[in-house]
Amino acid sequence: KAGVTQTPRYLIKTRGQQVTLSCSPISGHRSVSWYQQTPGQGLQFLFEYFSETQRNKGNFPGRFSGRQFSNSRSEMNVSTLELGDSALYLCASSLVVGGANVLTFGAGSRLTVL
Amino acid sequence: GQQVMQIPQYQHVQEGEDFTTYCNSSTTLSNIQWYKQRPGGHPVFLIQLVKSGEVKKQKRLTFQFGEAKKNSSLHITATQTTDVGTYFCAGNTGNQFYFGTGTSLTVIP
Repeated sequence: KAGVTQTPRYLIKTRGQQVTLSCSPISGHRSVSWYQQTPGQGLQFLFEYFSETQRNKGNFPGRFSGRQFSNSRSEMNVSTLELGDSALYLCASSLVVGGANVLTFGAGSRLTVL
Repeated sequence: GQQVMQIPQYQHVQEGEDFTTYCNSSTTLSNIQWYKQRPGGHPVFLIQLVKSGEVKKQKRLTFQFGEAKKNSSLHITATQTTDVGTYFCAGNTGNQFYFGTGTSLTVIP
């Protein structure tokens, strides 16, 4: 069965631009969460969607937004990009397996802001 | 707010030596999970601990959850080069995961 698919894998933007990242979860997974990974900060939680509703939100500015569609695919958008937004953005879908809510990560979208 | 600290940040060991990473939460957790991220890869689920004082083993890996459900450790016995990567703990409170900063393990052959 296909894993979590993230597109694009790599992208370069300049300050002030906006970017949209896409995530297709594993079939049957209804929860999708997004994380920002940087060398100094580790994995920072952005938000989590379940059945098209944002269920949890991390401590990021309003420039970071997301949504989930009826087929569970999710997108995140970052507006007015800053240099500090350069990071690996990871999407994870989750399913409860044997009592554990297990996150399955995609390969990530590596964003570079110049 | 919720914080999960992990130490050490980096660890270099000779192949065959043991390795331990520690995870501490500022608040009590419902459960804790461990993930491994190989260089250039993405985090992969290893295990979940739920009960106070729980100990689980996966071959050479031993995972512990503290009695107060605020700390956890991962111990690898006789490391191998295949153990290289960054190990993250993730504390779970309800639907949200709080990841530790990770411990990057280098194994010197």
